[in-house]
Amino acid sequence: EAGVAQSPRYKIIEKRQSVAFWCNPISGHATLYWYQQILGQGPKLLIQFQNNGVVDDSQLPKDRFSAERLKGVDSTLKIQPAKLEDSAVYLCASSPRTSGFSTDTQYFGPGTRLTVL
Amino acid sequence: KQEVTQIPAALSVPEGENLVLNCSFTDSAIYNLQWFRQDPGKGLTSLLLIQSSQREQTSGRLNASLDKSSGRSTLYIAASQPGDSATYLCAVGGNTPLVFGKGTRLSVIA
Repeated sequence: EAGVAQSPRYKIIEKRQSVAFWCNPISGHATLYWYQQILGQGPKLLIQFQNNGVVDDSQLPKDRFSAERLKGVDSTLKIQPAKLEDSAVYLCASSPRTSGFSTDTQYFGPGTRLTVL
Repeated sequence: KQEVTQIPAALSVPEGENLVLNCSFTDSAIYNLQWFRQDPGKGLTSLLLIQSSQREQTSGRLNASLDKSSGRSTLYIAASQPGDSATYLCAVGGNTPLVFGKGTRLSVIA
């Protein structure tokens, strides 16, 4: 079974530029998550999709971050414009069921390391 | 607001030693607790998931326990190997998104 795929793996941009990350979850998984992991911290959920719909985006900085899940499969996360404090690893995860918040095992991708200069 | 703390932040042990990683959480109203492993430059791998009704889970050389009332979990690794070197994160699941600790960075020296 193929795992969660993410691209790019690394990205370096200057502040005020825009950037987009892509995630392809495990086939058939209903729920998709985007996390931000700042160096030395645990991951923090940015947004959770269940099929096409958003379950939780309470911690997503909506003035600069946006995300969509296309046809309930792939997802993109965009930052526009980027700030220095956005430097982090962005992790995508998926889980099979359409359960509540966090009752299911999540499978993580390798992440995208973003550096904002 | 749920807060998760992991102690120690870093640990270095000789190969073959048994070791315990600790995780504590402030709100006992949880659905489950998960332990993850993170290797440098890689994503997280789920190791064990303990439902709130369970006391422990075992997988190979790993054993995780959960004491909801005291807000604590431990991850026991038996006969540690250099391949166990990684950062171990615990995460608490409830009626909110998963809340992660900062992790314990483990080094097993051959």
